[in-house]
Amino acid sequence: DGGITQSPKYLFRKEGQNVTLSCEQNLNHDAMYWYRQDPGQGLRLIYYSQIVNDFQKGDIAEGYSVSREKKESFPLTVTSAQKNPTAFYLCASSIGAGQETQYFGPGTRLLVL
Amino acid sequence: AQKVTQAQTEISVVEKEDVTLDCVYETRDTTYYLFWYKQPPSGELVFLIRRNSFDEQNEISGRYSWNFQKSTSSFNFTITASQVVDSAVYFCALRDLDTGNQFYFGTGTSLTVIP
Repeated sequence: DGGITQSPKYLFRKEGQNVTLSCEQNLNHDAMYWYRQDPGQGLRLIYYSQIVNDFQKGDIAEGYSVSREKKESFPLTVTSAQKNPTAFYLCASSIGAGQETQYFGPGTRLLVL
Repeated sequence: AQKVTQAQTEISVVEKEDVTLDCVYETRDTTYYLFWYKQPPSGELVFLIRRNSFDEQNEISGRYSWNFQKSTSSFNFTITASQVVDSAVYFCALRDLDTGNQFYFGTGTSLTVIP
């Protein structure tokens, strides 16, 4: 089945540790996105990528990094510089980077130990 | 300024009642797109509908209907004869030329349908 997968479902981070969230899609979409969701708030854009080997910062990129080496994969690293990483992280993709609809994965919940 | 406002934080209705979720948006562009997504307790956002700014025709899909009014910058969502499975958080989102490739999401409306 075509879709977007995110792993793990839950992730625990220790202080000072970098962690990487996985996002894979088999929809042959060019554009991919990472959002952060906090309780009672909407989604906020962290990073997006319109094409392989290219990505741009969103509204809250500080403390995060990404890579886009393959069309189907867009991993997000939460670095130790992100002081408040506890949140629900959602990955999305769209056919292109125009006005197309974004489709979302199931999300990863990150908790700090 | 917030581009998308969902003033209703939480709504509770009894099963079979109709419910309308409000969405007010702000944009300077003449070309823009509006979206509704459903987020059930599992967390994944499910796409419901996309409208472009040139199509003000209301849309109906089963028990769901959408009322797009440019004059009031609103894109409201109505569920007719609500069911328990409709319980979720619903997000309205805007994508316009100003935002480039970004979506701007409202803060969501949490709907609880009581059996």
